[in-house]
Amino acid sequence: EAQVTQNPRYLITVTGKKLTVTCSQNMNHEYMSWYRQDPGLGLRQIYYSMNVEVTDKGDVPEGYKVSRKEKRNFPLILESPSPNQTSLYFCASRNPLAESSYNEQFFGPGTRLTVL
Amino acid sequence: AQSVTQLDSHVSVSEGTPVLLRCNYSSSYSPSLFWYVQHPNKGLQLLLKYTSAATLVKGINGFEAEFKKSETSFHLTKPSAHMSDAAEYFCVVSGLGTYKYIFGTGTRLKVLA
Repeated sequence: EAQVTQNPRYLITVTGKKLTVTCSQNMNHEYMSWYRQDPGLGLRQIYYSMNVEVTDKGDVPEGYKVSRKEKRNFPLILESPSPNQTSLYFCASRNPLAESSYNEQFFGPGTRLTVL
Repeated sequence: AQSVTQLDSHVSVSEGTPVLLRCNYSSSYSPSLFWYVQHPNKGLQLLLKYTSAATLVKGINGFEAEFKKSETSFHLTKPSAHMSDAAEYFCVVSGLGTYKYIFGTGTRLKVLA
C-alpha cells in the first residue's frame, strides 16, 4: 500500500531533551516536506526537500533540523525542544513529476508532540 | 506571491441541507487548488483538486468545487450534508514552478442532527 508513515504517533517529552520524528514514504517521491498544525493557523511548512541531500527552509524552520540521506526517509529533529513546539506534525511527499504542481501531496497520519 | 483565505472559521449546517465552504486565493502563477479534509484525530485526505481541465471539479463523498478566475475563488459545496461530513476542511493553493503548498487556516464544519 502506498503510504507515508510517521513515528512516533504520540510523544510527550520535556524541555531540552533531543528528539527525532521519523518519516518514510514508499512511493519513490522526490519531494518531501514537514508541516506543523496549530489551531487557527492551518498547516505551516517547516522544511522541505526536493531530493536527496537537498533541503531548504519553509516558513517556520526555527528550532528544527532535517536530513535527507535516502530518498524514502526524511526525519525531523528537535535538538532542544521547547513548549512552543507543542503541536501536531505532518510529513508529506509528492509525485516525482515535480514540475507539475497539480500533483497532490500525500500526508502521513501525524505526530502529536507535547513538550512540557 | 501566493495566499489563500478561508472566509469562515466555523460553519454549522443541518443534516440534509447544502454545504458551502468559501475559499479565496491569490496567485502570481496559474494556480493549482486543492481541498483537504481532516476528521477528528485523523490525517489529511484529499477531497478534490483543480487541474485546469474543467472549472467544476468533482471530488469524493459528493463534494465539488468551482474555480472562478474572475472572483479568485474556489468554494467547496455539497448538496446535502451528512453527519459524517463533520470535520475540518483546508483549502490549499500551489502554483506551477513552485514547490510551496499554502494552506488556509481551515473551516470547521459542524453538522446538526
